[in-house]
This record gives sequence, C-alpha cells and structure tokens, in this order.
Amino acid sequence: AQKVTQAQTEISVVEKEDVTLDCVYETRDTTYYLFWYKQPPSGELVFLIRRNSFDEQNEISGRYSWNFQKSTSSFNFTITASQVVDSAVYFCALSVAGETSGSRLTFGEGTQLTVNP
Amino acid sequence: SAVISQKPSRDICQRGTSLTIQCQVDSQVTMMFWYRQQPGQSLTLIATANQGSEATYESGFVIDKFPISRPNLTFSTLTVSNMSPEDSSIYLCSVARRGSGILDEQYFGPGTRLTVT
Repeated sequence: AQKVTQAQTEISVVEKEDVTLDCVYETRDTTYYLFWYKQPPSGELVFLIRRNSFDEQNEISGRYSWNFQKSTSSFNFTITASQVVDSAVYFCALSVAGETSGSRLTFGEGTQLTVNP
Repeated sequence: SAVISQKPSRDICQRGTSLTIQCQVDSQVTMMFWYRQQPGQSLTLIATANQGSEATYESGFVIDKFPISRPNLTFSTLTVSNMSPEDSSIYLCSVARRGSGILDEQYFGPGTRLTVT
C-alpha cells in the first residue's frame, strides 16, 4: 500500500519569505510518480508538477522548485519569495505504475499555506 | 493538457435523494477517476471509471451507493445515491493518459460541491 505524509498541517509566512513544504512517501514499487497540486480557496485542483521515480533531478519553475530525494523518500516543494496569491492548500500525491493499481493517486493530508502581506 | 468540465458545479439536496454528476473531457483519455473531498480533508479515490465495463471501487465504496458509468473515452457520470448529510463533499473527476508505459499528468475537473440537508 502507498502512503503520503505531509507533516505540516499549516504554515504561515510573511510575503517575500521562502517556504518549504515537506512530503514523505512510502511505496514498495520501484516505478512510481510523485505529484504536487495546489488548491486555492476557489476549490479547483491545479497541477504543478509530476516527477517519476527514475528522475531525481531537481526542478525549478519560476519561484517554484522541487527537491526529490529517493534516499529519504522525500519530495519537498519550495516557494521562493512567496506572494499572497500563493495562499492555498498544497497536496503531495503518489501513483504507482503497476497494472493492478492503475494510475490512481494517493494524496497526503495537505498543507495549508497562508502568506500574509 | 485536458479541459474537464463537471455538472452541476454545486447543489443542495435533501436526505434520501440521489444526484448524478457529469464529467466531460475535451479529448480522449485513457483513465477517468472519481474522488471525494470531505470538508477540510484530503482527497480520497472512490473508483476508477472503466470504459465499457463496471467501475473499479476502492475499499469503503460500493456500487449501490456510488454507481458510475463511462460510455465512452470522454464522458463519465457518478451518482450519489440515497444521500445523507455525511455525503456532503466536493466530488472531483480526474483524467489521465497512459502511453508507452508512461503516465501522463493527471488533471482534475473543477469539482461539484454537494450539500445534503
């Protein structure tokens, strides 16, 4: 069975601060995919990134960066110079590639990020 | 990417009634899923909607309560039957493509906010 843990339930920062959201996952599969989604107050789920288990390169997209470390089973997400519009719930999710499990996502509990002006 | 629409966007229903939620995708996708997000909670997979066959349900979800149809590669419905206040949630449709053993990004619809009184 798969499990995703986001230990930080809520984080509050002041605008322009950097913030890192932690994600730790558990799976016995060797091929899997990790995701981050953003859920703003409006409720829709916005796809941010997908990373497969064979690609440990870190990724940067604008103010967002992701640090994938298989040795610690972590896939952390950093927002640099945070803005008020970054306020949302952020979900980390895991999917494994086995046929019996399909592509369904196992979500963490989410981290509520509040960026104050 | 994929553009996903859901109908209705929200509804208030009485206990004991049923509601059918529609999910439409703008292009053919391999896989379609239905998730539930209870208030303040993470997302939980209800079932995988299989085209032309019965849906595959996760533990704790049964076909009698959540019948699902998927007549083609771009459309699916989820019915919430004999509703109770505990069914008040956001219901989200999700789609993914899979080709050559590689999982494409998973995208989510805008969700249907259901309140049962």
